[in-house]
Amino acid sequence: GAVVSQHPSRVICKSGTSVKIECRSLDFQATTMFWYRQFPKKSLMLMATSNEGSKATYEQGVEKDKFLINHASLTLSTLTVTSAHPEDSSFYICSARADGSNQPQHFGDGTRLSIL
Amino acid sequence: LAKTTQPISMDSYEGQEVNITCSHNNIATNDYITWYQQFPSQGPRFIIQGYKTKVTNEVASLFIPADRKSSTLSLPRVSLSDTAVYYCLVGDVVEEYGNKLVFGAGTILRVKS
Repeated sequence: GAVVSQHPSRVICKSGTSVKIECRSLDFQATTMFWYRQFPKKSLMLMATSNEGSKATYEQGVEKDKFLINHASLTLSTLTVTSAHPEDSSFYICSARADGSNQPQHFGDGTRLSIL
Repeated sequence: LAKTTQPISMDSYEGQEVNITCSHNNIATNDYITWYQQFPSQGPRFIIQGYKTKVTNEVASLFIPADRKSSTLSLPRVSLSDTAVYYCLVGDVVEEYGNKLVFGAGTILRVKS
């Protein structure tokens, strides 16, 4: 149980393209999902908290107009990197937490984004 | 949010027991302690979570002393496939809209044959 699916696993595209990444909780409902970014050999950095039915909460320094988050349902959150540039190249990871107390976060397998 | 401190790296051999300790001196009353494992180019995988004393599951044990200012992840009889980065995280999982996790640097565990 507690499976989180993230798609696509890898994207290579030209500068200026917008890229959408999907995060789905397959066997549980998640009111809250999280988006992280990870640079090579570094730890995960929280970008934003995605809440179903409301606006996402962004961490300091993360541009909300650059990284659009939509939490359309209790099992789906999307991150759209708008007008991507080479500096946006990174490993993006989502996580979801089942509703209820004492539930840990479960992570997707990440999306490797490469902007040429 | 409680800050965590872990050793940067550890080396071990196959078949040995490995204990990774994490310090979290300013842990709050409602905070749970969660450990994750991460392989290169993959998302972190949940290992174990606990609040106090000892928790054991099929892959690991978690020891938490009474003051809860530290915790120790114990991996019995490690194999080469346990080579990974291990993260200790502290957060409030009771919070209605989910706990905000802040990842520390993690511990690189290298298992040798």
